[in-house]
Amino acid sequence: AQSVSQHNHHVILSEAASLELGCNYSYGGTVNLFWYVQYPGQHLQLLLKYFSGDPLVKGIKGFEAEFIKSKFSFNLRKPSVQWSDTAEYFCAVGKWDTGTASKLTFGTGTRLQVTL
Amino acid sequence: DVKVTQSSRYLVKRTGEKVFLECVQDMDHENMFWYRQDPGLGLRLIYFSYDVKMKEKGDIPEGYSVSREKKERFSLILESASTNQTSMYLCASSHRGNQPQHFGDGTRLSIL
Repeated sequence: AQSVSQHNHHVILSEAASLELGCNYSYGGTVNLFWYVQYPGQHLQLLLKYFSGDPLVKGIKGFEAEFIKSKFSFNLRKPSVQWSDTAEYFCAVGKWDTGTASKLTFGTGTRLQVTL
Repeated sequence: DVKVTQSSRYLVKRTGEKVFLECVQDMDHENMFWYRQDPGLGLRLIYFSYDVKMKEKGDIPEGYSVSREKKERFSLILESASTNQTSMYLCASSHRGNQPQHFGDGTRLSIL
């Protein structure tokens, strides 16, 4: 069974600091990769996704992620965080499936706290 | 904009009760999913459905069942609620294949 690891459980940064959240997965086949964000009291929202092509993916709110196939990694980055980025971030991996439903395996999440 | 609506934000039930959690989506999505979210464990898939009356077990189906009689509605059933089922339950939907999932606001369920 595939697994997804997010090694940073809780990250505290000051505004304007740079952010990098790690995500590693174990599945060796073709995968789809996602980062979701959950702001306090809100539902999970898609930040960005990677299916194929350019391994550097840009998402909403200035976030980007880089897929490094040889390292089984999909790390999330933002050059300068804002207080409003305080949230929980989840990495998710789905096996490529041309059929029915793409099941996702989620990491355990990283809680980001941005201080003023 | 996609709307996934879960019937309750908060629910309190007693052990042994049969509990129904309802989810409705308005985007004609083929796929629907139920997860539970627990601190430190992330999201874990309970069941999913890729078509009306079709269902497949996820990673933690024990103690749960599901029903999908209409395309837009996916119900999660706790046959006999137990305290270890106290959790946040999230419903999601997506188009067929590898499309991103859209999530509801969640139901925080407490079993006393």
